[in-house]
Amino acid sequence: ETGVTQTPRHLVMGMTNKKSLKCEQHLGHNAMYWYKQSAKKPLELMFVYSLEERVENNSVPSRFSPECPNSSHLFLHLHTLQPEDSALYLCASSQDRIGTSGQETQYFGPGTRLLVL
Amino acid sequence: AQKITQTQPGMFVQEKEAVTLDCTYDTSDQSYGLFWYKQPSSGEMIFLIYQGSYDEKNATEGRYSLNFQKARKSANLVISASQLGDSAMYFCAMRVYGNNRLAFGKGNQVVVIP
Repeated sequence: ETGVTQTPRHLVMGMTNKKSLKCEQHLGHNAMYWYKQSAKKPLELMFVYSLEERVENNSVPSRFSPECPNSSHLFLHLHTLQPEDSALYLCASSQDRIGTSGQETQYFGPGTRLLVL
Repeated sequence: AQKITQTQPGMFVQEKEAVTLDCTYDTSDQSYGLFWYKQPSSGEMIFLIYQGSYDEKNATEGRYSLNFQKARKSANLVISASQLGDSAMYFCAMRVYGNNRLAFGKGNQVVVIP
């Protein structure tokens, strides 16, 4: 058990639907992340939240909208997605400290497998 | 920008044998961390082992060890006494000082056969 949970585990949606992915971490961490994993591609970092503030947004289309209401919860709101958005969406968390040396381990959830029809 | 390279094709490994997974990286930073993750078919990314750029000793964690060669910028993972449950994709990743970004390689597929 990694301490990071994601729901739903599987999601099928049409291009006109609105849905949300949920991530919850039980590790007391202060940073949370969304990643996208497409077939035969390296993991792509989408968003980073540190202390509930978005610190990174990697040119992700506006049809993906993240929300971090507190340090334990992270959402990814989906709207008018495209078939190429079908992928495994992974959430992760870590405990970041000032003056970090790059050693803070990110712990991942089980992912949500998204299929856009 | 950091770059992680994992180029080995899919590997079949006999149960109880050791396997080495190659990883090279490219960065101009001096302070960074290297990580290996395991991803079984269920999708979860499981943290295996960490090596800091200033660590003098190679990291070990149970059956996992990291062969860190800083001058060659390589961080190979060694899995000893392979088990059927080791069948998975294995990803090498790096994070540099003061940066939230964790850069991943494309992964190595390992299948352990009885």
